[in-house]
This record gives sequence, C-alpha cells and structure tokens, in this order.
Amino acid sequence: DAKTTQPTSMDCAEGRAANLPCNHSTISGNEYVYWYRQIHSQGPQYIIHGLKNNETNEMASLIITEDRKSSTLILPHATLRDTAVYYCIVRLGSNYKLTFGKGTLLTVNP
Amino acid sequence: DAGVIQSPRHEVTEMGQEVTLRCKPISGHDYLFWYRQTMMRGLELLIYFNNNVPIDDSGMPEDRFSAKMPNASFSTLKIQPSEPRDSAVYFCASTQRGTNEKLFFGSGTQLSVL
Repeated sequence: DAKTTQPTSMDCAEGRAANLPCNHSTISGNEYVYWYRQIHSQGPQYIIHGLKNNETNEMASLIITEDRKSSTLILPHATLRDTAVYYCIVRLGSNYKLTFGKGTLLTVNP
Repeated sequence: DAGVIQSPRHEVTEMGQEVTLRCKPISGHDYLFWYRQTMMRGLELLIYFNNNVPIDDSGMPEDRFSAKMPNASFSTLKIQPSEPRDSAVYFCASTQRGTNEKLFFGSGTQLSVL
C-alpha cells in the first residue's frame, strides 16, 4: 500500500471548518483513500473513503486532487468533540490489511 | 447491534502470567482483526481472520502470542508468558466483505504487565 504523509498536529477554532491534508504521491490507480479518527481512549472510527471522486457523508467531505497524489478531509463545522487523531490510509480494495501511520492530532479550541 | 465487544476493559498482571483477551465481533461480519497500540509504535496489525481462519499473522511479535477464532462470534488473543513490554492497548475490529471494508473497532483492552 502507498505511504501517506500528514502533519503531526493542527488547531482549529470551534465552529470553523477543519481541513486536514494528506499526501500520497505514490498511490496507484486502484488504491483507495480512507480516513479514520481516534478519540482519546477509544478505538478508531471510520469517517469516509474515496477512489477518484470527491465524497461527502454526514461526518465529513473528502476532496481528492485530480492526480490523486493528495487529499483533504474537511470537517465543515468543527466541534470540541472532533478533537482526535485523524489517520489517512491508502489501501488496495482487495487488501483487508489496514496500516495506520502516525496521523494528525486535531485540536479544536473553544 | 452492540458493536465489537472486548473484554476485559482493563487487565493488570504480573510478568510471567498468562493473559487472555476476548473479542466478540459484530454479528454477520466475516473478518476479524487484532491490533496493538503503543506510544512508540502506534497501531500495529497483529493478525486477522476470515471466516474463522487466520489469514495473516505476520504481525504477531513472537511465539508468546497466539490467537484463535473457534467460531464466528468469538476470538481470543493469548500471551503466555507475559512481559512488561507487552503493555499496550489491544483492539479488536471486524468487517464484512462487500461493505467497502470499513473496520469497526472495539473499545480496546488496556493491558499492564508489571
């Protein structure tokens, strides 16, 4: 699976949009981009995933660049409960192994 | 559904003792994963099962670790003998083929080996 690069930490004001970047320059054509988050002392939680097109669900939006070498997870109106480590993961659809990196610690401030 | 259920939530034991961690996956899920999380190494995949059969155990650190899945609703991760460096949070996760392979994680077992 392709390697990903994320900033170590980010801050965001409550109520504002949080934009979390991820670089995956070695991604191949049939690899998906997945986002998970881990709130302190809890297990990781699935957020969203995509292949080529931008995706949106009730939790977030995923913007994938046209060359697919990077993506951005958008939390449109961050709340204090969104404070967590966010993991960007690239994996083959047929590969059930999910490899977590260090992720980005997002801190939402009041 | 109650989600992935792990027990115990916390385990404190002494070095050399046997430790057994338990997991009940979500009903209907055919894949089960065991992960370990430490500050130093982050989240590591130890082993995963498909239809109760171990598929990849390359992440199991050494022979002291073993995992079983006797049926579709139960799995165990055993450490014998335990060592202080095994102290970590152990997560179990499950998923179902054809659901975009979204993993559902349990709340984890915090293991402390003294």
